[in-house]
Amino acid sequence: NAGVTQTPKFRVLKTGQSMTLLCAQDMNHEYMYWYRQDPGMGLRLIHYSVGEGTTAKGEVPDGYNVSRLKKQNFLLGLESAAPSQTSVYFCASSFRQGGQPQHFGDGTRLSIL
Amino acid sequence: AQSVTQLDSQVPVFEEAPVELRCNYSSSVSVYLFWYVQYPNQGLQLLLKYLSGSTLVESINGFEAEFNKSQTSFHLRKPSVHISDTAEYFCAVRPNTGFQKLVFGTGTRLLVSP
Repeated sequence: NAGVTQTPKFRVLKTGQSMTLLCAQDMNHEYMYWYRQDPGMGLRLIHYSVGEGTTAKGEVPDGYNVSRLKKQNFLLGLESAAPSQTSVYFCASSFRQGGQPQHFGDGTRLSIL
Repeated sequence: AQSVTQLDSQVPVFEEAPVELRCNYSSSVSVYLFWYVQYPNQGLQLLLKYLSGSTLVESINGFEAEFNKSQTSFHLRKPSVHISDTAEYFCAVRPNTGFQKLVFGTGTRLLVSP
């Protein structure tokens, strides 16, 4: 009964390094989302996907790329990490219900030095 | 565009006391409203939602929220809190047509002490 699983849970990067965050869901959800959570700012949508092979930009997409090659996976990439990308990243998923995520992963805490 | 205001960043309360977490929103179109809860070191969980119908909605763990269109509010209440209710609570809004992205408030941390 995994739900939404994010890997890794923690990561420290140096400025300019690249990495990929993996999100996997086992609920056959159509929609998947990537958010970042920063103190005092709530959650902000980075990118989202409404189905396999599709992606779209959210509020704060700059510096990130995503891919949804398989329905159950949604990858978030940082090509050249910057200190401003230090944050907690959450993946979420939902059925075709119009935009509100139903299930969240436990987050990835990312620090960029 | 929509926006959500949660004026209280932190609300301390004693166990078994009532609590109200305030949420006001701004939108030029009709909206759906949500409350999410985030326990320490976990992701968010959907607590309750208002889509249509009765303006008073309830969750399974005793929370309720009332949609007030004239005051553009969706305050969250519980008549008697438990230690286990300690968490951060986020109010969120989105337009009620089609696929629309959710806009979150900045969150209110509820601290319940014995």
